[in-house]
Amino acid sequence: EDQVTQSPEALRLQEGESSSLNCSYTVSGLRGLFWYRQDPGKGPEFLFTLYSAGEEKEKERLKATLTKKESFLHITAPKPEDSATYLCAVQARNTDKLIFGTGTRLQVFP
Amino acid sequence: EPEVTQTPSHQVTQMGQEVILRCVPISNHLYFYWYRQILGQKVEFLVSFYNNEISEKSEIFDDQFSVERPDGSNFTLKIRSTKLEDSAMYFCASSVENYGYTFGSGTRLTVV
Repeated sequence: EDQVTQSPEALRLQEGESSSLNCSYTVSGLRGLFWYRQDPGKGPEFLFTLYSAGEEKEKERLKATLTKKESFLHITAPKPEDSATYLCAVQARNTDKLIFGTGTRLQVFP
Repeated sequence: EPEVTQTPSHQVTQMGQEVILRCVPISNHLYFYWYRQILGQKVEFLVSFYNNEISEKSEIFDDQFSVERPDGSNFTLKIRSTKLEDSAMYFCASSVENYGYTFGSGTRLTVV
């Protein structure tokens, strides 16, 4: 069964304190792995798509990496405005649906 | 930046009533989706829609649910007879190809 596990569930960082969020997955033929940011009461906001092991993508303070079993979202020198829940999702080949993890709730305090 | 628009943002309905949740996808997108998120739980796939028909649906999407693209711009989700357990955030999404979605801000459905 395709599934996604994210850790930690919650993470508190001081502003400027870099860290990584983990997404472990099992999927029958990966089409893509997606990272989204979700603010309270809002829809998921697209961050990155990764397609194959070894791929990396960056956007501002965020960098996503992918292996055959997991993905990491690295946050460098976070700011309070980076506080949100970060969702990981996978899509298998021959399917439309995304399978989401439960997310990591990140709080960055000054 | 183009966005997916959902209305209403919050709907309260009595158990057993029908509700229609509305979405305006991004104009050049061809694939449309509904997801839901029960409070504190994962975002779950409900249905995908392409070329005016359902292309995939989950086990959640039973006979109480239906989708429609009535006029070439709107995309709706109907729940025929709401249950308490239908209370959730419902997200519409769209994409050019069937990956890399853009999600709307959601409709919070509360069934009382």
